Formats: sequence, C-alpha cells, structure tokens
Amino acid sequence: DIQITQSPSSLSASVGDRVTITCQASQDIRNFLNWYQQKPGQAPRLLIYDASNLQTGVPSRFSGSGSGTDFTFAISSLQPEDIATYYCQQYDNIPPGLTFGGGTKVEIK
Amino acid sequence: QVQLVQSGAEVKRPGSSVKVSCKSSGDTFSTYALNWLRQAPGQGLEWLGGILPIFGTPKYPQNFQGRVTITADESTNTAYMEMTSLRSEDTAVYFCARVNVRLSLLRGFDSWGQGTLVTVSS
Repeated sequence: DIQITQSPSSLSASVGDRVTITCQASQDIRNFLNWYQQKPGQAPRLLIYDASNLQTGVPSRFSGSGSGTDFTFAISSLQPEDIATYYCQQYDNIPPGLTFGGGTKVEIK
Repeated sequence: QVQLVQSGAEVKRPGSSVKVSCKSSGDTFSTYALNWLRQAPGQGLEWLGGILPIFGTPKYPQNFQGRVTITADESTNTAYMEMTSLRSEDTAVYFCARVNVRLSLLRGFDSWGQGTLVTVSS
C-alpha cells in the first residue's frame, strides 16, 4: 500500500500569512493527489484535484503543486474562515486504492 | 451539484451489522462512482470501498474485504454500505462521497453526504 506522510500536523499563523503544507508519497503517484478542507462537524470539501487543479468555486488563494512523490498545498493569504483541518489524499485505479494523509490543523495566531 | 442524503444515526451491539444508505439527487447516478469513507472520533479519514453503478462491481481495500459490502440501486438512485462483525473500533462517522469525474471509480470527491454516526457499544 502507498503511504502518505503529511506535515506539519498542526500550524499557527497570522491572518494574511502564506501557509504551506506538504505531503510525501512512499512511491511515485504521478499527479493522483487531492487536497481537502474539513471544518468541525462537517464533511470534507474538495479544494484541489489532480495535484494542481482548483475545484470550481474554491477561492484562488488556495493552490497545489507537485508530482511524483512530493506535493505542496498553499494558502497565499490566510483568512479567518480558513481555520480547519486540511488533508491530502492519493488514489490509483489500477489496482484501486486510496489513502489520506494524517491531516494538518490550521489555527490563527 | 448533486445532493447526497444519508440515513440516520445507528447504535449497534458488538458482533452485529449495520447498513447505511446514501440517496443521490439528479439524473447522473449510474455514471459517477460513489465511495464510502469513515472517520473515527478525532481521527483521520479511511476509505472503505466504492462502486460505479453502471458497472455494478464494487471495489474494496484489502483490510475491509469480506466485512464491507457496497451496493447500488439504480431504480432509486441509492447506494448502500453494509458492515458486519462490528466492534467498538468501528464507532465512527460514515460518509458517502461522489467522484468528480464520470466513469472513474476513484479521483476527487466533490460531493459528500452529511455523514452517519455509527456507535458500537455493548
């Protein structure tokens, strides 16, 4: 099984700061990686799909990059409504498999 | 965007089974895969398996093979997830989620059900 290591597990930043989260896969997953935001008591929300594509309706301050084994998610200017836990998720269809990173809890300093 | 509505919370005894439903709105049920995931209290997300209704054959990760059964009823646009031999560690919120691309079992999940809390307790 492919393992995903997400870091950091938590971070604290000020409003307006640039925030970055990384995920590293245990083997080459091409660009088969997505990013989600989850607020307490809610289902996750898809922000970025296939490593770098912004999901429809998601603010442009969110972005993703990377391919192969190393991926980065960024919030260019942290807003109060961005307080949440963020997860990366890798997938493959042959054979079918899907795992999530451990999550990053983002808080306002 | 499609709406996914799940059945209500369940309380189950260890060793029993639970079946959770997920009803999809709209007319694209058959060609978009529905997957099931769960999240234990304070924990991360775990994939339980998925199904592309037009093909009908579900896929599961190895650690849930034989204990989870996923089905889809195209006549009612409803997917189901049944889990057997429940234990306390199965206490979690169970989500259904739809893939964002037609005819692909796995990709990004752009629509989610509201979640169903399953509590396993004696």
